[in-house]
Amino acid sequence: GQNIDQPTEMTATEGAIVQINCTYQTSGFNGLFWYQQHAGEAPTFLSYNVLDGLEEKGRFSSFLSRSKGYSYLLLKELQMKDSASYLCAVRDLSGGYQKVTFGTGTKLQVIP
Amino acid sequence: DSGVTQTPKHLITATGQRVTLRCSPRSGDLSVYWYQQSLDQGLQFLIHYYNGEERAKGNILERFSAQQFPDLHSELNLSSLELGDSALYFCASSATSGSSRETQYFGPGTRLLVL
Repeated sequence: GQNIDQPTEMTATEGAIVQINCTYQTSGFNGLFWYQQHAGEAPTFLSYNVLDGLEEKGRFSSFLSRSKGYSYLLLKELQMKDSASYLCAVRDLSGGYQKVTFGTGTKLQVIP
Repeated sequence: DSGVTQTPKHLITATGQRVTLRCSPRSGDLSVYWYQQSLDQGLQFLIHYYNGEERAKGNILERFSAQQFPDLHSELNLSSLELGDSALYFCASSATSGSSRETQYFGPGTRLLVL
């Protein structure tokens, strides 16, 4: 099985930088995803990490350490529209099947 | 717009009833996943179909069932509905069976309210 932990809520100021952490425990790790979900809307894909290190995509970056079972999503130059939930999702290979499990999400509020 | 469509957008029904939610994957995608998201809870994986065949089951109740048709659209059937079944139901699709960098693309969801 899997266990995924993220902070429930975070608040940050417009223009600032915020880091959202995710820790996980899995027996057959095969990739980690970050999704953004605005209230009442569908999750949208942000990033994917399968090897250790940092993946940068515009204002968003995602980091992975497989040995520590740890990832973070870094959001720079925060904008009000970044207020949303950020879901960490882990893919693992168990029983020959690749399954993706989502964390409960971190609700980020960006304030002026 | 992810290219995944779901109908209906909203559904209000009574306890004990049965409903069917429909999903059409992105053009060319063979996999369909169903998720349930209750208020203040994360996405709970229900079931995965690949090219018409069931690939994996998650936390899906026996009152719930799904299928994927030859044209690759999928239906999720919820029966003997209870108040606790009120939730957002998302469908997602991916190109194959979920390998490598492949990501899932989510539909807009169906909001189910059981009264």
